[in-house]
Amino acid sequence: NAGVTQTPKFRVLKTGQSMTLLCAQDMNHEYMYWYRQDPGMGLRLIHYSVGEGTTAKGEVPDGYNVSRLKKQNFLLGLESAAPSQTSVYFCASAGAPLSAGELFFGEGSRLTVL
Amino acid sequence: SQQGEEDPQALSIQEGENATMNCSYKTSINNLQWYRQNSGRGLVHLILIRSNEREKHSGRLRVTLDTSKKSSSLLITASRAADTASYFCATDAGTGANNLFFGTGTRLTVIP
Repeated sequence: NAGVTQTPKFRVLKTGQSMTLLCAQDMNHEYMYWYRQDPGMGLRLIHYSVGEGTTAKGEVPDGYNVSRLKKQNFLLGLESAAPSQTSVYFCASAGAPLSAGELFFGEGSRLTVL
Repeated sequence: SQQGEEDPQALSIQEGENATMNCSYKTSINNLQWYRQNSGRGLVHLILIRSNEREKHSGRLRVTLDTSKKSSSLLITASRAADTASYFCATDAGTGANNLFFGTGTRLTVIP
């Protein structure tokens, strides 16, 4: 049972390049989330999904897009990377609304934008 | 921001001692959760305490919640070197929202 798997684990981009981070979960969870973690800032929610085919904005959605075409996958895209998007990105999933349940996290994807 | 604030930011103790971390938050909540993060790894859920609970135990962990003061504490008893990690509190936004708001964490170092 792999849980939540993120790919790639590391990536270096030049300003203006695009890329997609893939998150896959094998727990049949309805809810999926993308967070970014920056020093001294804690984790901040970028986008989330409450089920297949749905997406919604979080606290810091600008510069990112997401898609949830399959229940088990949640993709995070950067169309035109900027140095401010240098961060560690975490995907998480939950089997229940967060008012009642916990998050299961992936191991993170470290992105550097030069 | 509804972000929680942990205190202290860093804590260093000897193995076998107890470690206490505190969390304060700003809004009403349905639950408060504590997570642990080892260096370079993802966060792992430790314990969830609901707003109508005052104390909860899980192994060597003890969590308290005081909703009147909007604060929580995490106590790790008989600490071990393997407990070295960052610890985060996270709160939901009350009714309706689908997000957990994380604090900036307490970095715990347990010296063997």
